[in-house]
Amino acid sequence: EDKVVQSPLSLVVHEGDTVTLNCSYEVTNFRSLLWYKQEKKAPTFLFMLTSSGIEKKSGRLSSILDKKELFSILNITATQTGDSAVYLCAVEGGQAGGGADGLTFGKGTHLIIQP
Amino acid sequence: EPEVTQTPSHQVTQMGQEVILRCVPISNHLYFYWYRQILGQKVEFLVSFYNNEISEKSEIFDDQFSVERPDGSNFTLKIRSTKLEDSAMYFCASVPEVGAWAGQYFGPGTRLTVT
Repeated sequence: EDKVVQSPLSLVVHEGDTVTLNCSYEVTNFRSLLWYKQEKKAPTFLFMLTSSGIEKKSGRLSSILDKKELFSILNITATQTGDSAVYLCAVEGGQAGGGADGLTFGKGTHLIIQP
Repeated sequence: EPEVTQTPSHQVTQMGQEVILRCVPISNHLYFYWYRQILGQKVEFLVSFYNNEISEKSEIFDDQFSVERPDGSNFTLKIRSTKLEDSAMYFCASVPEVGAWAGQYFGPGTRLTVT
């Protein structure tokens, strides 16, 4: 059974701090690892990672994957109150025949940025 | 930018009643998914659908659930006899092909409340 474990489950920091969110996984036939931000309703996409060691960057957010150690981190620098959200890590595994498995999500990290 | 839409945004029903949740995936997408998120818990995969049939389903997706793509645009999730524990946010998602999760392909969700 595919498994995704995120840590910490919650984190409170002050505006301007840098945070690192962790995600470890076990998945059959790994295809990709995704990070999402969930504020009120639907998860909104941040990054998709498929290759080890290649950093993906978008503004103050960045993420990297280690396929040997089976984990990923999401970094947010110079945090702002608008970064407050639940950050979800999900992995996509695959069937041997190429079927459409859904994503397996972790419980999320609830990040609170205090002014 | 094309997006996945879902109706209704909130559905209240009595235990034992049937409900149908509706989704309109992005028009050129081929793979469709339903997820649910019980309040305070993680997003869970229910079912994937491709080429007019179920591709994969989780243990949650038992005989009281069914999916259908009745007219080439809508993608529906039916719960035959709702239970209190079916109360959750239900998200529809679509991707153009397997492994192509990049992008904001989750719908806004339907909040189902079973009383």
